[in-house]
Amino acid sequence: GQQVMQIPQYQHVQEGEDFTTYCNSSTTLSNIQWYKQRPGGHPVFLIQLVKSGEVKKQKRLTFQFGEAKKNSSLHITATQTTDVGTYFCAGPGLSWGKLQFGAGTQVVVTP
Amino acid sequence: DGGITQSPKYLFRKEGQNVTLSCEQNLNHDAMYWYRQDPGQGLRLIYYSQIVNDFQKGDIAEGYSVSREKKESFPLTVTSAQKNPTAFYLCASSIRRTAQETQYFGPGTRLLVL
Repeated sequence: GQQVMQIPQYQHVQEGEDFTTYCNSSTTLSNIQWYKQRPGGHPVFLIQLVKSGEVKKQKRLTFQFGEAKKNSSLHITATQTTDVGTYFCAGPGLSWGKLQFGAGTQVVVTP
Repeated sequence: DGGITQSPKYLFRKEGQNVTLSCEQNLNHDAMYWYRQDPGQGLRLIYYSQIVNDFQKGDIAEGYSVSREKKESFPLTVTSAQKNPTAFYLCASSIRRTAQETQYFGPGTRLLVL
């Protein structure tokens, strides 16, 4: 079935460094969403990308949707301790109204 | 949170016992969802409901049951048939029943087996 794959599964970052997490799908996605889950918390919506090649920025976070709409990336610049958490991408599932979540990238930041 | 409440925050289940997790939303959302999250894992869909009195099985529905008698409520029962229920259970809702819509999550319930 349709799957959304995320890499890396785990990312250890030094404070101030940049990093990127990637989301890949075997099929074309109509849209992709990104969520962040802080340790012990619940997922919180960050952004949705709909257009081919779309790039959106939220302060130090840059989200990109691939030209073929099969992949997406989240790039964080100058990582801070507040960036700690797990970042999930999610695409439309096979059934109407469902979201297919990736396994997430767990980010640990060292001061 | 943000209009979605789940209770209890922690729940302990004995062997052979059914337990019910509560999920309530005051966002007037049509669609509601239940996910299971295991440590270090992603979200797996248990059940979802697009409208009152209707619900669909997700990817891991075995051992679980739901009801949707009211728009604002979507309780999940973990039955004794679910042999490995220890997990973090998340309820979510969205405005309409399309995959374009953002999902809003509740704070979750952690279920532990005694």
